[in-house]
Amino acid sequence: KAGVTQTPRYLIKTRGQQVTLSCSPISGHRSVSWYQQTPGQGLQFLFEYFSETQRNKGNFPGRFSGRQFSNSRSEMNVSTLELGDSALYLCASSLKSSGNTIYFGEGSWLTVV
Amino acid sequence: TQLLEQSPQFLSIQEGENLTVYCNSSSVFSSLQWYRQEPGEGPVLLVTVVTGGEVKKLKRLTFQFGDARKDSSLHITAAQPGDTGLYLCAGYKTGTASKLTFGTGTRLQVTL
Repeated sequence: KAGVTQTPRYLIKTRGQQVTLSCSPISGHRSVSWYQQTPGQGLQFLFEYFSETQRNKGNFPGRFSGRQFSNSRSEMNVSTLELGDSALYLCASSLKSSGNTIYFGEGSWLTVV
Repeated sequence: TQLLEQSPQFLSIQEGENLTVYCNSSSVFSSLQWYRQEPGEGPVLLVTVVTGGEVKKLKRLTFQFGDARKDSSLHITAAQPGDTGLYLCAGYKTGTASKLTFGTGTRLQVTL
């Protein structure tokens, strides 16, 4: 059974640009959540989607947004990139929402220059 | 403010030694999970504990959930170089079921 797949794995963007990251969950999983990992802040929850609806949101500015499609695949978008957005962005999927075990992808490394 | 504080932050030990990593909070968690993350990869789930006082063993790793469900510990017996990595505790805080809160992390290095 294929794991969580994230694309792209690595990308470099310039300040002010926007970026879209993609996540394909494990087959059958309907919940997708996104996390940002930085050396200083550790792993921070961004948002969680279940059945195309955002169920929960972390404390990030509105420049960070996401969506989920009917096939459970998800995308997150960061607009007007700042240097501090450089991080590993991790996607995780689970069967359902609410306290289930989540499985992480390998992440997308974003560098903003 | 980190809801889950891990200690120690860094640990460098020799093969064969024992170690314990702590994960503490003032909040109650409905469940708590431990992950290991290796460089360039996403975190991999090791165990989930849900009952206060619960102890789970995974080969040389022993996990314990505090009676009040506010803290947890991970004990590794006879550490091996393959145990090297970043250990993360994470929990679902009561009332925020879909939002997993991660600990500050413990970076373990085991040398020969």
